[in-house]
Amino acid sequence: AQRVTQPEKLLSVFKGAPVELKCNYSYSGSPELFWYVQYSRQRLQLLLRHISRESIKGFTADLNKGETSFHLKKPFAQEEDSAMYYCALSGTGRRALTFGSGTRLQVQP
Amino acid sequence: EAEVAQSPRYKITEKSQAVAFWCDPISGHATLYWYRQILGQGPELLVQFQDESVVDDSQLPKDRFSAERLKGVDSTLKIQPAELGDSAMYLCASSSRGESDTQYFGPGTRLTVL
Repeated sequence: AQRVTQPEKLLSVFKGAPVELKCNYSYSGSPELFWYVQYSRQRLQLLLRHISRESIKGFTADLNKGETSFHLKKPFAQEEDSAMYYCALSGTGRRALTFGSGTRLQVQP
Repeated sequence: EAEVAQSPRYKITEKSQAVAFWCDPISGHATLYWYRQILGQGPELLVQFQDESVVDDSQLPKDRFSAERLKGVDSTLKIQPAELGDSAMYLCASSSRGESDTQYFGPGTRLTVL
């Protein structure tokens, strides 16, 4: 069975502070990992995926297979980063996503 | 920019009544997903279609839930009868074929069962 764990329900930081949203997963094969974001009153949207290895809105995430983690990081948080963040996984041959329970990021001025 | 459409956006019903939700995916997207999101949790897959065929409905409570995508385009999810525990956000997503297909989500239908 595949599982995604986001241990923090809420993360509150000040503007300009570094941010790290934690995500751990369990999957026996080679998963594909994603971060989805939902801003206030908007729909769920893809932020980034590990195979792209790109930085989106200053966010990066590295897949660590040894620690089965895919933490989301940003060196300097902005107020507009305040949103709900979901880590998700898709398995080999199964495109449906398994989501974590989400972390709400609050960036205070 | 093309988006996934869902209706209604909100639905309030009484337990034991029937409800139906509609989803129109992005044009050309062969894969359609229905997810359920209970408050405080992440979305969970209910059913996945590839064109008009169901490819995964292992988590769909088939005694009361049904889903169809007759022409391989839009889709309907039905609950009959609704129970109090069905109160949740119902999300539809679609994606195109391919190894790195991104799922695009609709705005969701918030169901409240009284």
